[in-house]
Amino acid sequence: AQSVTQLGSHVSVSEGALVLLRCNYSSSVPPYLFWYVQYPNQGLQLLLKYTTGATLVKGINGFEAEFKKSETSFHLTKPSAHMSDAAEYFCAVRFYGGSQGNLIFGKGTKLSVKP
Amino acid sequence: KAGVTQTPRYLIKTRGQQVTLSCSPISGHRSVSWYQQTPGQGLQFLFEYFSETQRNKGNFPGRFSGRQFSNSRSEMNVSTLELGDSALYLCASSSGQGREKLFFGSGTQLSVL
Repeated sequence: AQSVTQLGSHVSVSEGALVLLRCNYSSSVPPYLFWYVQYPNQGLQLLLKYTTGATLVKGINGFEAEFKKSETSFHLTKPSAHMSDAAEYFCAVRFYGGSQGNLIFGKGTKLSVKP
Repeated sequence: KAGVTQTPRYLIKTRGQQVTLSCSPISGHRSVSWYQQTPGQGLQFLFEYFSETQRNKGNFPGRFSGRQFSNSRSEMNVSTLELGDSALYLCASSSGQGREKLFFGSGTQLSVL
């Protein structure tokens, strides 16, 4: 079955430290890949997406992600964490043949940022 | 441009009742998708509507249903509520074509007592 795995339900970093949130998917055909962020009591906001082309994708708020086909991964990084980055992050995949509105989400990673 | 609007923001119901949630997509968007979010199961796809037709359906029982109107507004209905239906229900809209992203509303928090 097609699936998305986010390693680590909770990640804690210090302010100014590197943020690395991991995402792996299971598919032999490269899917469309997304990272969303959710702040408390809010909906989801798109950080970045990969469809085709350049495998290093830059998003909002200084985040970026790299699609690695050989590793079936799409890890999210940010060089320097800010307190405002504390939120829950979701990796999502639209598999080949899937309709636009049908995304499969990972379980989410809650990011804490320590001062 | 107004974002995706979901009403109501909060709902409290009792077991056995039914509930209807509403979603108004971004102007011009023809696709509306619904997701259920719970702490245990995470985000799960319920269904997607495009131009008033259900285009895709997730793995939920028939108690969960939806529809889309000619103005693209969508409603989802849950009948015979169970305690396990307590969740945040998120609606997302998009153009429905190509590689466009989904825009999410703030959700309706449903509590079943």
